[in-house]
Amino acid sequence: EAGVAQSPRYKIIEKRQSVAFWCNPISGHATLYWYQQILGQGPKLLIQFQNNGVVDDSQLPKDRFSAERLKGVDSTLKIQPAKLEDSAVYLCASSSTVNTGELFFGEGSRLTVL
Amino acid sequence: GESVGLHLPTLSVQEGDNSIINCAYSNSASDYFIWYKQESGKGPQFIIDIRSNMDKRQGQRVTVLLNKTVKHLSLQIAATQPGDSAVYFCAVGTGANNLFFGTGTRLTVIP
Repeated sequence: EAGVAQSPRYKIIEKRQSVAFWCNPISGHATLYWYQQILGQGPKLLIQFQNNGVVDDSQLPKDRFSAERLKGVDSTLKIQPAKLEDSAVYLCASSSTVNTGELFFGEGSRLTVL
Repeated sequence: GESVGLHLPTLSVQEGDNSIINCAYSNSASDYFIWYKQESGKGPQFIIDIRSNMDKRQGQRVTVLLNKTVKHLSLQIAATQPGDSAVYFCAVGTGANNLFFGTGTRLTVIP
């Protein structure tokens, strides 16, 4: 079974530029999450989708971050404009239902903002 | 809100010994608790979970203990192996949504 796919693995940009990350969840998984993991910290939830609807985006900085999952499968996370403090690993995860904490994570996209 | 803290940021154990990683949480309404393992350069990997109606659950070489009175949970790894070296996170939530992850404990297994 293929795992959660993310791209790009690494991205370096200057502050005020924009960046987009892509995620393809495990086939059949209805629930998709984006987490931000700053170096030395645990992952922090940014947004949770159930199919193509948003379940929770309370911790998403909506002035600069946006995410979509138009067809209920792939998802993109965009940051515009980026700030230095956005440097982190952006993890995508999926699960088969909303009632489980067994999330399957991708390897992440590491963003460095200079 | 919830705050989740690991008691020790690092832990070193001899290969073959048992490891115990501890976690404290703040919200008494939390009812779902999970341990994840994260190896360098990879995403977290689910290990085991426990709900608040239980105080102990066992998996393969791992045991999670939950003490709701003092809001504490622990992960015990039996016969620790070099492949167990990683950062371990506890995650706590109400239901399975909006899980709060702790800061992690880095386990190093000494051959």
